[in-house]
Amino acid sequence: QQQVKQSPQSLIVQKGGISIINCAYENTAFDYFPWYQQFPGKGPALLIAIRPDVSEKKEGRFTISFNKSAKQFSLHIMDSQPGDSATYFCAANGLRSGTYKYIFGTGTRLKVLA
Amino acid sequence: DAGVTQSPTHLIKTRGQQVTLRCSPKSGHDTVSWYQQALGQGPQFIFQYYEEEERQRGNFPDRFSGHQFPNYSSELNVNALLLGDSALYLCASSLSSGDEQFFGPGTRLTVL
Repeated sequence: QQQVKQSPQSLIVQKGGISIINCAYENTAFDYFPWYQQFPGKGPALLIAIRPDVSEKKEGRFTISFNKSAKQFSLHIMDSQPGDSATYFCAANGLRSGTYKYIFGTGTRLKVLA
Repeated sequence: DAGVTQSPTHLIKTRGQQVTLRCSPKSGHDTVSWYQQALGQGPQFIFQYYEEEERQRGNFPDRFSGHQFPNYSSELNVNALLLGDSALYLCASSLSSGDEQFFGPGTRLTVL
């Protein structure tokens, strides 16, 4: 019940295309869902995050869609660029229910072709 | 405003040795979490420190221990190193009341 399942494992997109990464969770106590971007040899960097009281959040080219009833959320990267090539992780936690730790997905390696 | 800093950047140890990793949180943050990230995997939660106490712990053996100092910086100690402890060790800081966790660059530990 603590797992966060992420797909696909890898993704290749043409420059200018839309990259879509999906995550699913089981624990309904989770109430915060961030996405992180990680380049090789670096720490994860927070991209965008959402709470269950909204269905969508957009920041620049990055959008999170959230489906509370299906317990799924996804990251959409619009107008994907070669500089977006990195590994993306979804995560979840439930600070208000005492789950302080982040549960991370297994990651999606994105490659954007020039 | 400095973000989360970690030292050292890289470390090579042999089996059975002990190691100490250090972390300074982002300015204004009072909570530090440690994660282990094996190659090709997502980060796995080790433990979180708040008010110099371990607040929550993941599924890691007692060989992994930590400490938080009055200035909120933190140390991760690993005893009796195993080959399987080779990983990137990440420190993340946050406010005790906040959800956002900001990660440092990590310490790459190699156990030979």
